[in-house]
Amino acid sequence: KNQVEQSPQSLIILEGKNCTLQCNYTVSPFSNLRWYKQDTGRGPVSLTIMTFSENTKSNGRYTATLDADTKQSSLHITASQLSDSASYICVVSGGNTDKLIFGTGTRLQVFP
Amino acid sequence: NAGVTQTPKFRILKIGQSMTLQCAQDMNHNYMYWYRQDPGMGLKLIYYSVGAGITDKGEVPNGYNVSRSTTEDFPLRLELAAPSQTSVYFCASRDPRGAYYGYTFGSGTRLTVV
Repeated sequence: KNQVEQSPQSLIILEGKNCTLQCNYTVSPFSNLRWYKQDTGRGPVSLTIMTFSENTKSNGRYTATLDADTKQSSLHITASQLSDSASYICVVSGGNTDKLIFGTGTRLQVFP
Repeated sequence: NAGVTQTPKFRILKIGQSMTLQCAQDMNHNYMYWYRQDPGMGLKLIYYSVGAGITDKGEVPNGYNVSRSTTEDFPLRLELAAPSQTSVYFCASRDPRGAYYGYTFGSGTRLTVV
């Protein structure tokens, strides 16, 4: 079954600290992996997109990595800010219909 | 550039009532999608469209209908609302250049059926 699992479910960090979010997937065939940020009450906003051949992609303080062999991805946030408080969703495109398969997200809270 | 616009933002329906969730995009994207997001769950695809006049079912289409008469608009119709349809609904569109490119999501419609 095509699935995307994220950990941890929630995370609390202090402003200025770094953190890493994890994503494991079992989607096959694999097309690409995306990380989205979803603020409370808003729609998801794309952070990064990676294909099979890419193992790292950065967007400002956000850096995503992909290990297609182990089917794992991580999202590293550097020098966190209060505005980073949001849910971060890992999404894999693939399977027989090449549709998006969403993880349940990691809820990040950044406190001053 | 407004992106993807959804209306209304909030709605309370009684069981058995009907309503249409509106979605419009101004980016000339051919591909449009409707998702629902339930608490603690990943987004699930309800219906999608690859162009005007073409629609297809997603993962959870029961209880919903869509139409796509123009490139810009992709309304979602709920007939005979049920409590199980209480959810947050997101419309999205995709750049026509290919699957690699990003999806743009609307800000969502929070629907409660009582």
